[in-house]
Amino acid sequence: GENVEQHPSTLSVQEGDSAVIKCTYSDSASNYFPWYKQELGKGPQLIIDIRSNVGEKKDQRIAVTLNKTAKHFSLHITETQPEDSAVYFCAATYTGNQFYFGTGTSLTVIP
Amino acid sequence: GAVVSQHPSWVICKSGTSVKIECRSLDFQATTMFWYRQFPKQSLMLMATSNEGSKATYEQGVEKDKFLINHASLTLSTLTVTSAHPEDSSFYICSARDLSIYNEQFFGPGTRLTVL
Repeated sequence: GENVEQHPSTLSVQEGDSAVIKCTYSDSASNYFPWYKQELGKGPQLIIDIRSNVGEKKDQRIAVTLNKTAKHFSLHITETQPEDSAVYFCAATYTGNQFYFGTGTSLTVIP
Repeated sequence: GAVVSQHPSWVICKSGTSVKIECRSLDFQATTMFWYRQFPKQSLMLMATSNEGSKATYEQGVEKDKFLINHASLTLSTLTVTSAHPEDSSFYICSARDLSIYNEQFFGPGTRLTVL
């Protein structure tokens, strides 16, 4: 099955700086890569996703890049704000299959 | 956007009792729902995949007789933790897949179960 690795496990940045979280996957058949933000005591919320036919996607301060050859994808958050502090999970899947989650990154934005 | 609700949001029960958690897709039909378990500071662990009108598919190591799943309609799936024990205390999260939106899964807010 698919194996998703995520790094780093914890990340602290100063407010206004950028944060980058990286994930690798093992199954070349995976074609959908979502990113979730989870606040304490809440369920994961989809913040951005990318499909295998696209190399990059951006939504305001958040962007995701995908390198299918190297089997890795990254989340980029620019101009970080304290409310960006949360745990972020990446996932990989292919059509109709279950999601395989990374181990999570705890992001702290220091005011 | 697609909304998934869970009820209750938290529950405390005595050891040996059973607890039912409901997962509803509010504005779309979910042919497939997923149940996850999450321990503190850990990732989501898939417990089972619930398909409407058929038996759930359980992941390896998950006891199907202990975690009963029913997906009787396109908008409701339930997870019943039977004969709960303190080690069952966890955060249980469901998600629902809307096939009309390609692959996306929409997550519920989670249910915090504490077994005394």
